[in-house]
This record gives sequence, C-alpha cells and structure tokens, in this order.
Amino acid sequence: EVQVVDSGGGLVRPGGSLRLSCAASGFTFTSFWMHWVRQSPGKGLVWVSRINIDGSVTNYADSVKGRFTISRDNAKNTLYLQMNNLRAEDTAVYYCGKGGYGAVTAWGQGTLVTVSS
Amino acid sequence: EIVLTQTPISSPVTLGQPASISCRSTQSLLHSDGNTYLSWLHQRPGQPPRLLIYEISNRFSGVPDRFSASGAGTDFTLKISRVEAEDVGVYYCMQATQSPCSFGQGTKLEIK
Repeated sequence: EVQVVDSGGGLVRPGGSLRLSCAASGFTFTSFWMHWVRQSPGKGLVWVSRINIDGSVTNYADSVKGRFTISRDNAKNTLYLQMNNLRAEDTAVYYCGKGGYGAVTAWGQGTLVTVSS
Repeated sequence: EIVLTQTPISSPVTLGQPASISCRSTQSLLHSDGNTYLSWLHQRPGQPPRLLIYEISNRFSGVPDRFSASGAGTDFTLKISRVEAEDVGVYYCMQATQSPCSFGQGTKLEIK
C-alpha cells in the first residue's frame, strides 16, 4: 500500500524555522517526483514545491522561494521541507504528495504549522 | 505563472443528477512532451485531497466511472454523471505543466 506520512509541524514564532518530514513507503521512492502542498484554515490548496527523482531539480512557489528548501534522502525514502524566516501567512496544514502522471497521486494526512508570537 | 479559474464556485446538486465543473487556464497546458498535465482532485471535509483524474481524462485507480473529464489547451471539464452523497466536498483542478504548479480555487459540491 502506498503511504506518505508527513510530520514535523508545530507552533513557531515569526522569523523562526521548522523542518517538515515525509516518510514514504509502499512504492519505489526513487522513481517519483515529490511535492509539498499547503492549505490555510478554511482556504484552498496552494502548491508549495516539488523535487525530481534525484534531487537535482527543484521548483518553488514565488511566495516561498528563498525561504523554503525541498530535499530528499533516497536512502531513507524521506522527503523534507526546510522552512526558514516563517511568516504568519505560512500558517497552514502542509501535505506531502507523491507525484506521477504529472499529478499528485497520493497524499499524506497533513501536518499543521502555526506561525504566531 | 498559470492561473486556473474554476466555475462555479459552489454547486448545489440533487442526488442522482449530473454535475459539471469547469477549469480554465490562462495559458495552454500542453507540455512540450505532448502531454497535458491537468488533473482533478476531490477533498472531503477534514480529509486530505485524493486524485480523481490525471492528464485531462484518465481516471485514477479506484475512481468510479461516474466521474469523467475532458478538455484541451486552456479549457477543461469534470463531470459527474449521477451525484452520490459521498461526492460532496470541494473539487480542485491542478496543473503541473509549467512551474510553479497551481490549483484552481476550488468548487464546493453540496446536496440540495
């Protein structure tokens, strides 16, 4: 069974940092792009970032470029999102997603990041 | 940056009746590799989204055949032939043809 389990969320002060993790299982991790998507409370889905199979290609939403870094450890089947200089508007549930067919084919349950003083 | 606009924003539907959602893109979603990376997702309240359709019209594994989709270029449509109670929630289109990827703003499907 394909599973992606995201973790690492929490409460952080503005300007602070947090690292999210996503543990993947049930599929060949090294064969798929991976994504991060976020959703602020009561709002729609917002794409954040994606990374190719070996980590050599990364893309970001303009709103996080220069502050967030996506990476992956293929030996550990794990995806990461390093978030620096966090702002109140980054408050959201962050979902890890498995790529495939140019879509997000499997989703984690989400991890809540709250940026507040 | 590609912007996806969904219509309607909200769609009250009678059980057993059809429903249709439109997704319009500000640029063609045809990729240089010949594929069009437009997908549709469904999100029930309190749950993560799940993929329904990929590459315009391909149903993902386990998706009932009452869901169908079509389109090309900049105009795409998701159709539900006969709405069931479990279909309530928010539907999103997503493009991954051009970075940054983007989602439509969502269409809320509710039962009349």
